[in-house]
Amino acid sequence: RKEVEQDPGPFNVPEGATVAFNCTYSNSASQSFFWYRQDCRKEPKLLMSVYSSGNEDGRFTAQLNRASQYISLLIRDSKLSDSATYLCVVEGSGGYQKVTFGIGTKLQVIP
Amino acid sequence: EAGVAQSPRYKIIEKRQSVAFWCNPISGHATLYWYQQILGQGPKLLIQFQNNGVVDDSQLPKDRFSAERLKGVDSTLKIQPAKLEDSAVYLCASSPLGAPSYEQYFGPGTRLTVT
Repeated sequence: RKEVEQDPGPFNVPEGATVAFNCTYSNSASQSFFWYRQDCRKEPKLLMSVYSSGNEDGRFTAQLNRASQYISLLIRDSKLSDSATYLCVVEGSGGYQKVTFGIGTKLQVIP
Repeated sequence: EAGVAQSPRYKIIEKRQSVAFWCNPISGHATLYWYQQILGQGPKLLIQFQNNGVVDDSQLPKDRFSAERLKGVDSTLKIQPAKLEDSAVYLCASSPLGAPSYEQYFGPGTRLTVT
């Protein structure tokens, strides 16, 4: 089983729609979780962290389910500018905090 | 604030040739990372430095890849000899000492094509 798994998509959604992505992780001892955004042919950039209590930033909501070992990202009122690949990132436990990126989920928002 | 600088931006070489990439992290960032991102995949960590010491190089193919970070500032990643499967974008990232690992700032990457 991969350390971090994501559906690569693509998810094609119309403007204004709500879309959600899930990401599962294999290491139950993982400590921290994040979503990065990567535009086509650009570098990844941190989008938001994922806390146990959930995290909301405008139209974006991230949640963590430790029991089922997955994190989610919800985007409301999708904009054309949201079109990108969304990378799930999991940070391990221990003295050295190894970071593992998922394959990414591609989102295409259609006019 | 200047971001992470990388050069060259693009490189095309033939298999069995050698290539080197350069990275200059954000000023003051103690931690530097090199990632390999193959088309359609997420970034894979190759090596992580803290100052000029190696923290993790478990996924670095040491028979052909090497990296150094002299004086704890800029870094070079070398491939010798290159294989077709090394075609990828090589991303450099940096983060401040004490920051959680996730606070990584990425450079624009070097796109390597091996023919």
